[in-house]
Amino acid sequence: ETGVTQSPTHLIKTRGQQVTLRCSSQSGHNTVSWYQQALGQGPQFIFQYYREEENGRGNFPPRFSGLQFPNYSSELNVNALELDDSALYLCASSLGSGRETEAFFGQGTRLTVV
Amino acid sequence: AQKITQTQPGMFVQEKEAVTLDCTYDTSDPSYGLFWYKQPSSGEMIFLIYQGSYDQQNATEGRYSLNFQKARKSANLVISASQLGDSAMYFCAMREDRDDKIIFGKGTRLHILP
Repeated sequence: ETGVTQSPTHLIKTRGQQVTLRCSSQSGHNTVSWYQQALGQGPQFIFQYYREEENGRGNFPPRFSGLQFPNYSSELNVNALELDDSALYLCASSLGSGRETEAFFGQGTRLTVV
Repeated sequence: AQKITQTQPGMFVQEKEAVTLDCTYDTSDPSYGLFWYKQPSSGEMIFLIYQGSYDQQNATEGRYSLNFQKARKSANLVISASQLGDSAMYFCAMREDRDDKIIFGKGTRLHILP
């Protein structure tokens, strides 16, 4: 196990609703990145937080937002859910926002939008 | 343009044989890192091996080695003496030093046969 914990593990929401996913980073890690992995695809970068500030964003609309807390845990919020938001959401923690050698991933939250 | 290309959607390999998973990448950044991750059905991304663009030697981690051919922009993963537990999805990924995100390929599903 990596020490990165995500909750909940599974979630079903209705189109138009809002959802909050949570990630506890590995002890000592100050950077959290979020990824969306659609079925049969590789993960796509959503955004990264470094010391509570957004530090890079992928090609996702503003209804995807996030927070990082002083203890470096993080939340991913998605508003106005769409059916295509159904995916596995992964968070990864690492030490530093620069060129790290590895990021530790959580087990993911599987979101289903109906 | 696709930055990470994995041309093998699926592979079947006999237990104890060596297996090579192909990966090519595209970048204009002279400084970057290459990763391989394993994703079992549980969903968690497990870091396997890392290769920096300036590293002279091919990276090795136990049964895993990365065949890095910089001029060809190739970063194949070699698993020696495959085991049944190696059955999983395998993702090649890259991080450019000018950016904060890890870019993943579409993955290769590896099946190890007894």
